[in-house]
Amino acid sequence: KNEVEQSPQNLTAQEGEFITINCSYSVGISALHWLQQHPGGGIVSLFMLSSGKKKHGRLIATINIQEKHSSLHITASHPRDSAVYICAVGGTSGSRLTFGEGTQLTVNP
Amino acid sequence: SQTIHQWPATLVQPVGSPLSLECTVEGTSNPNLYWYRQAAGRGLQLLFYSVGIGQISSEVPQNLSASRPQDRQFILSSKKLLLSDSGFYLCAGGQGVSPLHFGNGTRLTVT
Repeated sequence: KNEVEQSPQNLTAQEGEFITINCSYSVGISALHWLQQHPGGGIVSLFMLSSGKKKHGRLIATINIQEKHSSLHITASHPRDSAVYICAVGGTSGSRLTFGEGTQLTVNP
Repeated sequence: SQTIHQWPATLVQPVGSPLSLECTVEGTSNPNLYWYRQAAGRGLQLLFYSVGIGQISSEVPQNLSASRPQDRQFILSSKKLLLSDSGFYLCAGGQGVSPLHFGNGTRLTVT
């Protein structure tokens, strides 16, 4: 079993839909990252969470430390949101991240 | 803010040839630096990380090596590339548990 599990692996949505991507982890962490990888490969860090909830524009990330679970939500999705979304968790050492396999999101107009 | 510069963007190399990928950091000092590889259809795999000049930790045994000759420079190398070394290589930087910054990546094809 992987230490970081993301679901779903693939997600197709219509423009405007509310989207949720889930991440579960099995190790102790100090922080959880949500990353966005564009088709060209470049990666952008969206959020870093250690507790609670963060919001940036149409993106919302939540984390439940007790349940070892995080969700990334996208409201009013748009075709430009199409990308791979990756969850990564940081160990207590702070120097090593474990990555999920990613969720391929496609938003159709 | 921190910026990660990585080059080249794409590289095609024959089997058995050497490799050198360079990553430099702007906007911060004494960052933790990381080399990741993403094979086709797979998640990111940590190859090396460095917490300071000359300090390299290897996560996965392989024919790659890394060096950190300066605080803001991190180099990924190989003496002889294998076909299995093909993939997308990303350099990342951060400090402790601060948000990570990623370079734009290098797509390496070994032929």
